[in-house]
Amino acid sequence: GAGVSQTPSNKVTEKGKYVELRCDPISGHTALYWYRQSLGQGPEFLIYFQGTGAADDSGLPNDRFFAVRPEGSVSTLKIQRTERGDSAVYLCASSLLSGSTDTQYFGPGTRLTVL
Amino acid sequence: ILNVEQSPQSLHVQEGDSTNFTCSFPSSNFYALHWYRWETAKSPEALFVMTLNGDEKKKGRISATLNTKEGYSYLYIKGSQPEDSATYLCAFLPGNQFYFGTGTSLTVIP
Repeated sequence: GAGVSQTPSNKVTEKGKYVELRCDPISGHTALYWYRQSLGQGPEFLIYFQGTGAADDSGLPNDRFFAVRPEGSVSTLKIQRTERGDSAVYLCASSLLSGSTDTQYFGPGTRLTVL
Repeated sequence: ILNVEQSPQSLHVQEGDSTNFTCSFPSSNFYALHWYRWETAKSPEALFVMTLNGDEKKKGRISATLNTKEGYSYLYIKGSQPEDSATYLCAFLPGNQFYFGTGTSLTVIP
């Protein structure tokens, strides 16, 4: 079956612009996570969805970052007024149930570059 | 800030050697620990989800142990092969949030 997909694979934008990053989880997976990985670091937790609701958004760095999952499947991470420091690989992962004790399946990531 | 450390940062071994690396995490508020393998240009791949102190899990030539009381997990690879070359990441969970280490980069020399 299809794995987790993320689009676009690469996004180059200018400082101050708005971007949307999309994640298509594995069909039927209720838990969805977003992470950000900067160079030389491990993935950093951003937000966790259980179904349609954000169960934990405490990892979002500031109010320029927002994520939605309106129908409990596809999720969009939205970044307003992008800054150069937002440049990173954004990873999405899904799991069947809770995510904490279930196997997580990662997408290939979106590499965001803010010029 | 919750500290998850992995050591060594990088490792080169000869094909056929066995190797191991460490993930250290806070010993309080333990909920779960995940191990992943991340090959270049691919997605991270889940290896193990560990939840109980004393857990030992095995997948082929790779195994992992867990000590929640002292806050560490070991990952072992027996008879390393070139295809084992990857970055191995651990993630500590005190709840729903994942706290990743920076990984151990393994290179297996043929």
